[in-house]
Amino acid sequence: DGGITQSPKYLFRKEGQNVTLSCEQNLNHDAMYWYRQDPGQGLRLIYYSQIVNDFQKGDIAEGYSVSREKKESFPLTVTSAQKNPTAFYLCASSMAGVQPQHFGDGTRLSIL
Amino acid sequence: AQKVTQAQTEISVVEKEDVTLDCVYETRDTTYYLFWYKQPPSGELVFLIRRNSFDEQNEISGRYSWNFQKSTSSFNFTITASQVVDSAVYFCALSEAQVTNQAGTALIFGKGTTLSVSS
Repeated sequence: DGGITQSPKYLFRKEGQNVTLSCEQNLNHDAMYWYRQDPGQGLRLIYYSQIVNDFQKGDIAEGYSVSREKKESFPLTVTSAQKNPTAFYLCASSMAGVQPQHFGDGTRLSIL
Repeated sequence: AQKVTQAQTEISVVEKEDVTLDCVYETRDTTYYLFWYKQPPSGELVFLIRRNSFDEQNEISGRYSWNFQKSTSSFNFTITASQVVDSAVYFCALSEAQVTNQAGTALIFGKGTTLSVSS
């Protein structure tokens, strides 16, 4: 089945540690996105990529980094510079233009 | 600046009641798109509808209907004869149309409305 796979489902980070969240899609979508969801805050855009080897910062990019080396993959690294990383992270993808975004099941990140 | 407001944080209804979720948006663009997504307890967001700014026709899909009014910048969502399976967080989102050939465009989400339907 076509879709978006996020892994792991749960992740724990120690102080000063970088962690990477995986996002893979087999929908042949050009664009991919990372959102952060906090309780009562809705979804906020971290980074998005419209094409391989290119990406743009969203509203809350500080403390995060991404790469887009393959069309299917858009991993998100939460660096030690992100002082409040505990949240639910959602990856999405879409076709060209203003098309509905398809979402993965999310990764819940917590601090040890 | 773009903004989406969902003033209702939580709504509780009993099965078979009708319920309307409000969404008010702000944008300076004349061309834009509005979306509704459902987030069940499992966490993934499920796309429900997309509407562009030039199409003010109301839409009905089964028990779901949407009322888009540009005059009040609102895009409200009504569930008729609610069911327990409708319990979820519902998000309204806004996207301005791309003026280039670039792929994809980011969404601005409201904070969501948590709907609880009891039997």
